[in-house]
Amino acid sequence: GEDVEQSLFLSVREGDSSVINCTYTDSSSTYLYWYKQEPGAGLQLLTYIFSNMDMKQDQRLTVLLNKKDKHLSLRIADTQTGDSAIYFCAERAGANNLFFGTGTRLTVIP
Amino acid sequence: ETGVTQSPTHLIKTRGQQVTLRCSSQSGHNTVSWYQQALGQGPQFIFQYYREEENGRGNFPPRFSGLQFPNYSSELNVNALELDDSALYLCASSFPGQGSYGYTFGSGTRLTVV
Repeated sequence: GEDVEQSLFLSVREGDSSVINCTYTDSSSTYLYWYKQEPGAGLQLLTYIFSNMDMKQDQRLTVLLNKKDKHLSLRIADTQTGDSAIYFCAERAGANNLFFGTGTRLTVIP
Repeated sequence: ETGVTQSPTHLIKTRGQQVTLRCSSQSGHNTVSWYQQALGQGPQFIFQYYREEENGRGNFPPRFSGLQFPNYSSELNVNALELDDSALYLCASSFPGQGSYGYTFGSGTRLTVV
């Protein structure tokens, strides 16, 4: 079955880059996603990548996908205090549902 | 364009009771999915509804059931509540063919079972 793993915590200084990592097991995943969750809120889709891509850039966000190693990363450039949140990696499992990791809590130190 | 709205935002129920949670999908979205997010965990897929029919189900018992209405809004019903049902319940909507681009989530209903 699907299994998505993430490290639980990450702390960075404001202005530095953050890199959040994720490994997944389902080699048939077609799409992989990064969601952000702020306290008391739902999930906000940040970006997604199709499995035949190895990189996607969207403003401060860069997603890298190593399909051979089943490794996905999210890099946030110039991290700001407003980026403090929990970040979830998710893979599309089957036709109609997402399988999420346990989330990485990013703390940005001013 | 309105997003996904869920009600109520918070709810406290007693073990053994039944609960109904509601979701209005984003305008134009006809597919609704429900997820359970326990404290400190990632969301887990409960089920999805498309055109008022269940269109996939996760590893949840039958006491978790749902409905979708002609206006694409949806309900999640949980019978015989257990303490472990305490969680944030998230609703997500999408349009067929656009689910690949991610789902739009609501802010959730926090259910506490005592």
